[in-house]
Amino acid sequence: KNQVEQSPQSLIILEGKNCTLQCNYTVSPFSNLRWYKQDTGRGPVSLTIMTFSENTKSNGRYTATLDADTKQSSLHITASQLSDSASYICVVMDSSYKLIFGSGTRLLVRP
Amino acid sequence: KAGVTQTPRYLIKTRGQQVTLSCSPISGHRSVSWYQQTPGQGLQFLFEYFSETQRNKGNFPGRFSGRQFSNSRSEMNVSTLELGDSALYLCASSYQGMNTEAFFGQGTRLTVV
Repeated sequence: KNQVEQSPQSLIILEGKNCTLQCNYTVSPFSNLRWYKQDTGRGPVSLTIMTFSENTKSNGRYTATLDADTKQSSLHITASQLSDSASYICVVMDSSYKLIFGSGTRLLVRP
Repeated sequence: KAGVTQTPRYLIKTRGQQVTLSCSPISGHRSVSWYQQTPGQGLQFLFEYFSETQRNKGNFPGRFSGRQFSNSRSEMNVSTLELGDSALYLCASSYQGMNTEAFFGQGTRLTVV
């Protein structure tokens, strides 16, 4: 069964610190892997999209990595800000263009 | 450039009723996809429309249906509402389809009582 697992479920860090969120998937073959940020009560916002041939992609302080061999991806947030408090969702698109969503990591950045 | 607009933002319905949600995509985008988000199940894909045709469908019962108009605006209908249909319904638009970057709307919060 195609699955996307994220860890940790929740995370609390201090403002200014870095953190890394994990995503493991069993979707095969896959078309692309995406990371979204979702603020409470709002729609998700795309951070990165990577195909299987890409290893890393950055968007400002967000850097996503992908290891297609081990089927793992990570999202690294540098110098966290209070506005980074949100849920981060890993999404894998399979070869038939269906999106499989992870359950998300809820990040809280404290002053 | 205006973003994806969903209406209404909030809705309260009674069990057994039906509801129609609307989504206006970003100008020029031809693909609209719909998702249900609940605390228990997370985000789940409902269906995708491209140029007025349903191109992809998730695993939801037939009570959930949709359509897309010639101007790419899309509607989603849920008939015979159940308590479990209470959720945030999100739509996303993209230029060429779901394999390209998708932009989400703010969602419609549906509560079934």
